[in-house]
Amino acid sequence: DQQVKQNSPSLSVQEGRISILNCDYTNSMFDYFLWYKKYPAEGPTFLISISSIKDKNEDGRFTVFLNKSAKHLSLHIVPSQPGDSAVYFCAASSNTGTASKLTFGTGTRLQVTL
Amino acid sequence: NAGVTQTPKFRVLKTGQSMTLLCAQDMNHEYMYWYRQDPGMGLRLIHYSVGEGTTAKGEVPDGYNVSRLKKQNFLLGLESAAPSQTSVYFCASSIDRVRRQAFFGQGTRLTVV
Repeated sequence: DQQVKQNSPSLSVQEGRISILNCDYTNSMFDYFLWYKKYPAEGPTFLISISSIKDKNEDGRFTVFLNKSAKHLSLHIVPSQPGDSAVYFCAASSNTGTASKLTFGTGTRLQVTL
Repeated sequence: NAGVTQTPKFRVLKTGQSMTLLCAQDMNHEYMYWYRQDPGMGLRLIHYSVGEGTTAKGEVPDGYNVSRLKKQNFLLGLESAAPSQTSVYFCASSIDRVRRQAFFGQGTRLTVV
């Protein structure tokens, strides 16, 4: 049972335009959400996060939006740059149990073209 | 600042062989994790640790064992490797259950033939 879903395996966007990556989740206990970026042959690197008490978090060109009622979050990249080409993973966490384990989506490969 | 370091980066095993993957972090983080990444599956949690001397099962623990004898190290063992364990393995660490951002190592690509 996939609790975090990224339904678009790939996305192609022109340089300078907006990239929108989407993520849906099913577990109502998730209260913290993160986006990771991954280049080939490297480990994932943290990009941006959002707590469930907020509906938006912005960091430079990156903005994450959270719609709790729809159990949906999105990552906006504006403007998109060629260096943004990577696989983006959405992750979610609940503050229950003994550790705040991350549950990951399957990833979306973003290609930013010139 | 090295962050999270995994050893080795690549390995080829024969079915039935054993091996240990080493993860070391220099950030004094309490929590450490082992994930595997497979095509179309995202990252799945194998085992994790909430502190020195502790370990717990994640989503896909079968066929793996772990140990955390020192706070900075988290070892992942395969006692009898199977082709289904061919994957890329990532170690990660995080500060505590409040600050949940995890920092990842560069990965170990394991092939079992």
